[in-house]
Amino acid sequence: DAGITQSPRYKITETGRQVTLMCHQTWSHSYMFWYRQDLGHGLRLIYYSAAADITDKGEVPDGYVVSRSKTENFPLTLESATRSQTSVYFCASVGLTSVSNTGELFFGEGSRLTVL
Amino acid sequence: RKEVEQDPGPFNVPEGATVAFNCTYSNSASQSFFWYRQDCRKEPKLLMSVYSSGNEDGRFTAQLNRASQYISLLIRDSKLSDSATYLCVVNPSGGGADGLTFGKGTHLIIQP
Repeated sequence: DAGITQSPRYKITETGRQVTLMCHQTWSHSYMFWYRQDLGHGLRLIYYSAAADITDKGEVPDGYVVSRSKTENFPLTLESATRSQTSVYFCASVGLTSVSNTGELFFGEGSRLTVL
Repeated sequence: RKEVEQDPGPFNVPEGATVAFNCTYSNSASQSFFWYRQDCRKEPKLLMSVYSSGNEDGRFTAQLNRASQYISLLIRDSKLSDSATYLCVVNPSGGGADGLTFGKGTHLIIQP
């Protein structure tokens, strides 16, 4: 089925470990995003990508790394996880002109990460 | 002043009532405005765009007030299923999707 999927949905890890959250979309959307959502902060943009091999920082990029070797995949890596990175992570995508017309970002179901 | 501000609530409203909440934005050059809905522990989903002339979709009405820099969402004849968090989204740049700024959300609880 077409859509945007994230994995894993739930992850518990320890401080200092590397964690990779996967995001895969089947629409060939050009733009992809990673947000984190925390109580009291709402959704905050971590990184985004306008196309394959093009990535850029968002509001809170520190401690995260992304890559976009293929249009459909946008993994997010926490190179050395910290407790402050405990959060719900949402991946989203949108077509090249969609957002200016409809504002419709399509979100994955979220990845809930706990760093102990 | 934060870019996008919403009253976090919760708004506790009896079923069948009308409820409205606002969202203020700081960038007067903002051009695109949206309401998203997020159910508990779920992903946000687009509810409706907000046009300058206002727009209505069934029981939902969205309006934009550029002079006072706020958008509003009105829900008539509220249903239990309307219980959710409503996120205000503003695109300050009026262009790319990377500019979308989310409010922290207003929590709505419809009571039977």
